[in-house]
Amino acid sequence: DSGVTQTPKHLITATGQRVTLRCSPRSGDLSVYWYQQSLDQGLQFLIQYYNGEERAKGNILERFSAQQFPDLHSELNLSSLELGDSALYFCASSPQGRGTEAFFGQGTRLTVV
Amino acid sequence: KNQVEQSPQSLIILEGKNCTLQCNYTVSPFSNLRWYKQDTGRGPVSLTIMTFSENTKSNGRYTATLDADTKQSSLHITASQLSDSASYICVVSAGTGGFKTIFGAGTRLFVKA
Repeated sequence: DSGVTQTPKHLITATGQRVTLRCSPRSGDLSVYWYQQSLDQGLQFLIQYYNGEERAKGNILERFSAQQFPDLHSELNLSSLELGDSALYFCASSPQGRGTEAFFGQGTRLTVV
Repeated sequence: KNQVEQSPQSLIILEGKNCTLQCNYTVSPFSNLRWYKQDTGRGPVSLTIMTFSENTKSNGRYTATLDADTKQSSLHITASQLSDSASYICVVSAGTGGFKTIFGAGTRLFVKA
């Protein structure tokens, strides 16, 4: 168990809908990262937050947004969902924002039908 | 352009044999390099993390090497086990704060009895 908790584990929704994925980082970790992994593809970095502030942005679509709350948990919001958004979404956390070892959650599997 | 390339894409070996996975990167300025193991449908788990000054680091049967001059890293697995079947992902962090993280596409390893 990495200590990073993601909910829900599975999510099935229809095209055009909006969903929110939640991540609770390890206790004390200030950085939260979001990644997308489509079927048989590598991990694609979406966005990073550090102590509540956006720190780095990757290939995140405009339909997607994220935030980190004062208690350090984070949410990834996906809207106007398309079939191609079906993927595993991973959250990771690390103690600092300096590329130190990141611990991954077990992911949320999103299926858009 | 910051890139991380891994080879081979996939590899099949017999149980008990050794293997070596390669990672070449063009990330600059280099902060650290990590190897992760990802079982299918699960979150990646950290194997090793190396900074610029480290040449080798071991974690049980896994040994990672780093040549910062040639910007190459390798992950050597000795006496492979069936449970080693997974994707192995090389991750390089860049920037003075290490905030920029680039993932390799991974090497998929299959260990057969």
